[in-house]
Amino acid sequence: QFVLTQPPSASGTPGQRVSISCSGSTSNIGLNSVNWYQQLPGTAPKLLMYKNNQRPSGVPDRFSGSKSGTSASLAISGLQSDDEADYYCAAWDTGPDVVVFGGGTKLTVL
Amino acid sequence: EVQLVESGGGLMQPGGSLRLSCAASGFILRNNFMSWVRQAPGKGLEWVSVIYSGGRTDYADSVKGRFTVSRDESKNTLYLQMNSLRVEDTAVYYCARESGRGVVSPYFDYWGQGTLVTVPS
Repeated sequence: QFVLTQPPSASGTPGQRVSISCSGSTSNIGLNSVNWYQQLPGTAPKLLMYKNNQRPSGVPDRFSGSKSGTSASLAISGLQSDDEADYYCAAWDTGPDVVVFGGGTKLTVL
Repeated sequence: EVQLVESGGGLMQPGGSLRLSCAASGFILRNNFMSWVRQAPGKGLEWVSVIYSGGRTDYADSVKGRFTVSRDESKNTLYLQMNSLRVEDTAVYYCARESGRGVVSPYFDYWGQGTLVTVPS
């Protein structure tokens, strides 16, 4: 259903490093930059990363993004309980000319 | 401080109409690209529509011909007119300020709190 593919869940313990993948195709991630959003429980999404690896003001450097080919990845180091949220990747798709999202990854901090 | 506040959601029977509003503050709406993004209960995000700073509009195929995005510059407010509502339109609707369109993948740097639209079966 979602054009970009993310694992439905991920988990880690406090202090650990976790990575969330986002897989697309040549018409989206392969050609265009990737953005990431964090959605804390019961709140609106928040921009976490743009242009593959750029952090908006206020986002800690524990969060990092990367892109290679038709895949992208969000890494969170020094995991904290406050990081427990849903994470979504997104990119422009030059096929239909729309923004497409991944289905989201629910991150649990054990 | 940039703020977006949506209103207008509610319960509407299939085939009915609703108009959502998004009041913006802290920036000038007409100088920005503004999108609507929705999220069905327990599901992921779906882009719905955009209005360019120049006034051009685009829509997802799922709502094309039924939804209309517009803005009132005097009120610095964005609207989404939703007609011929379907059960599958049930979602929280967010307005979001957009950046980067035409240069990089558009990204949504500010979001409202969302307004729930329910179309029961």
